[in-house]
Amino acid sequence: GAGVSQSPSNKVTEKGKDVELRCDPISGHTALYWYRQSLGQGLEFLIYFQGNSAPDKSGLPSDRFSAERTGGSVSTLTIQRTQQEDSAVYLCASSLYGQQETQYFGPGTRLLVL
Amino acid sequence: AQRVTQPEKLLSVFKGAPVELKCNYSYSGSPELFWYVQYSRQRLQLLLRHISRESIKGFTADLNKGETSFHLKKPFAQEEDSAMYYCALSGLTGGGNKLTFGTGTQLKVEL
Repeated sequence: GAGVSQSPSNKVTEKGKDVELRCDPISGHTALYWYRQSLGQGLEFLIYFQGNSAPDKSGLPSDRFSAERTGGSVSTLTIQRTQQEDSAVYLCASSLYGQQETQYFGPGTRLLVL
Repeated sequence: AQRVTQPEKLLSVFKGAPVELKCNYSYSGSPELFWYVQYSRQRLQLLLRHISRESIKGFTADLNKGETSFHLKKPFAQEEDSAMYYCALSGLTGGGNKLTFGTGTQLKVEL
């Protein structure tokens, strides 16, 4: 079946603008995760969803970052008033409930803030 | 707090040579460790997990709780092994499992 998809694949924006990144998980996967991959920083956990609720938002770097998930499926990560340090690849992953140690990753959205 | 350390950013070996990618972790509970791999222009994917004690593509990794390590090994490197490798630790978060990743090691296998 189809894997995790993310859109857009690339996004260039100007400093101060808002951006929305979308993730479509694998059908039936109730757990969804957002990570950020920065050069030299590895993969940084941002937020975890179980269904539509987010029991762990501890990785969101500031209040400019928010995420929501609707219908237990699609998730949107929103970055307000983007800064240059937000430039990174944003990865989404999903997993089955009870098999959450095995996460399936999307291709990522490469964000460049000028 | 959970932490994963991969001390090498780049590891370059010749084809046929043994490979060892280092990973150390800190975690107060009983850890679950994984290796993920990202080949060029492909998405990140699970390579192996310690609980399976399996060999994938010739790679093995043994969890050493005394040394808090989970090094990835392969006796004879192949060109197709060239990729970015991430060690990850699974810890509970709000009922789910959050993966904490290391910074990754770029493996380059030269002919």
